[in-house]
Amino acid sequence: GAGVSQSPRYKVAKRGQDVALRCDPISGHVSLFWYQQALGQGPEFLTYFQNEAQLDKSGLPSDRFFAERPEGSVSTLKIQRTQQEDSAVYLCASSLEVGPGTHTQYFGPGTRLTVL
Amino acid sequence: AQSVTQPDIHITVSEGASLELRCNYSYGATPYLFWYVQSPGQGLQLLLKYFSGDTLVQGIKGFEAEFKRSQSSFNLRKPSVHWSDAAEYFCAVSGFQKLVFGTGTRLLVSP
Repeated sequence: GAGVSQSPRYKVAKRGQDVALRCDPISGHVSLFWYQQALGQGPEFLTYFQNEAQLDKSGLPSDRFFAERPEGSVSTLKIQRTQQEDSAVYLCASSLEVGPGTHTQYFGPGTRLTVL
Repeated sequence: AQSVTQPDIHITVSEGASLELRCNYSYGATPYLFWYVQSPGQGLQLLLKYFSGDTLVQGIKGFEAEFKRSQSSFNLRKPSVHWSDAAEYFCAVSGFQKLVFGTGTRLLVSP
C-alpha cells in the first residue's frame, strides 16, 4: 500500500510569506506527527495528533507555526510570516497504534523549505 | 528529559568490513529505542526497534542492535557493509509518543 506522502517536496518562500505543507498519512493510521529537521541535525518533534485532536504541540517553535488535522486524516502545517531560520526539512510521520511508546512511526519523504 | 547522543558524526568503513554505530540515551524509565536510516532526499526508514525482551534485536538489511541498560547504550551493528549502506543513521528514543532523535552518524563506505 501507499506510504506517507507529503507535498510539495520543495518549497521556496520569500521572507514574510505564509506557507502550507501537506501530509497524507497511511490510511487508517490514528497518530500523526510533524518533525523539523535542520541541516546536519536530527529531526525534532513539533506536534502530535491522535485522529483530529492535537494532543501535543510543545515543539512548535513560535506562534507562527500552526498545524491542523480537521478530519483525522490529512494534516497541514502552516507557517506564517516565514523567517530564514524556518528553513529546514519538515517531516511527517504516522502510526497505526495508540499507546505509550510502542508504536512504530512511518515517515514521509519530507518537504524541504527554503526561506530567502 | 529524554536525550540521545551519537558521538560519531562521520564514520568511514571499507566495503565488506564490519560496522558499529554508537548510541547512548538518557531516559528515566524503560526506553523504547529505534534506529532509522535516511538516504539523501529520502525520509526515514525504520531499521529496527527495541521495546522489551531479548536485548539483541534483528532488523532489516542485515542490521542488528544490542540494548545494554547498564551502559545506557543501543549500538547498531552489521557484520559486512555494502556500498548501498552509505547513508545517515539516526538513533531515537521514545517515551510516550514523540521520538527524540540523536544528531545522526553519516556512514561513508570506501571501495
